[in-house]
Amino acid sequence: GQQLNQSPQSMFIQEGEDVSMNCTSSSIFNTWLWYKQEPGEGPVLLIALYKAGELTSNGRLTAQFGITRKDSFLNISASIPSDVGIYFCAGRNSGGSNYKLTFGKGTLLTVNP
Amino acid sequence: DGGITQSPKYLFRKEGQNVTLSCEQNLNHDAMYWYRQDPGQGLRLIYYSQIVNDFQKGDIAEGYSVSREKKESFPLTVTSAQKNPTAFYLCASSPQQGSGSNQPQHFGDGTRLSIL
Repeated sequence: GQQLNQSPQSMFIQEGEDVSMNCTSSSIFNTWLWYKQEPGEGPVLLIALYKAGELTSNGRLTAQFGITRKDSFLNISASIPSDVGIYFCAGRNSGGSNYKLTFGKGTLLTVNP
Repeated sequence: DGGITQSPKYLFRKEGQNVTLSCEQNLNHDAMYWYRQDPGQGLRLIYYSQIVNDFQKGDIAEGYSVSREKKESFPLTVTSAQKNPTAFYLCASSPQQGSGSNQPQHFGDGTRLSIL
């Protein structure tokens, strides 16, 4: 099946620092999604990307759809304590049925005030 | 408010018992999904449904069953055949995919299932 590698697995940073995480795929995706999950809750959509090369921002968050269509990154600028959580990337294949998302294993972000 | 409601928040299952997790959405979405989440793992697809009265197996369907009798409801039954049911279960929905829409999936707040 498809594999989606997300890194890093975890990050421990100081408040105010910038954060970068990325996902790479073994196959081409036509959609990349970034979600944030807090403890005991469901993932919440942060950013959706639909075109290769697309760069999209949502407040302090910026995500890009890689030119090769096999990767995406998420940056968080000037981190704050409420950024704590698990960040997941998810991709949708360009071929066949377009319902299925493949998820990365997540990046656990801890922000030290 | 529009959204996805999962219940109960916590559920305990005895050995040999079937349990059913509820998922209701009022977003008028056609497609609904069930995922299983284990610690340190990504989400794995159990079942999905693109339209009422139709559903398909995902990657880990064994030991689970679903029904889709109404557009807004997609209950998941964890059967006694599922030997390792302890996990966090997430329900999601999205607008119809078949038209080529790339609309993202939106999630409920999950049900945590544990074995007694």
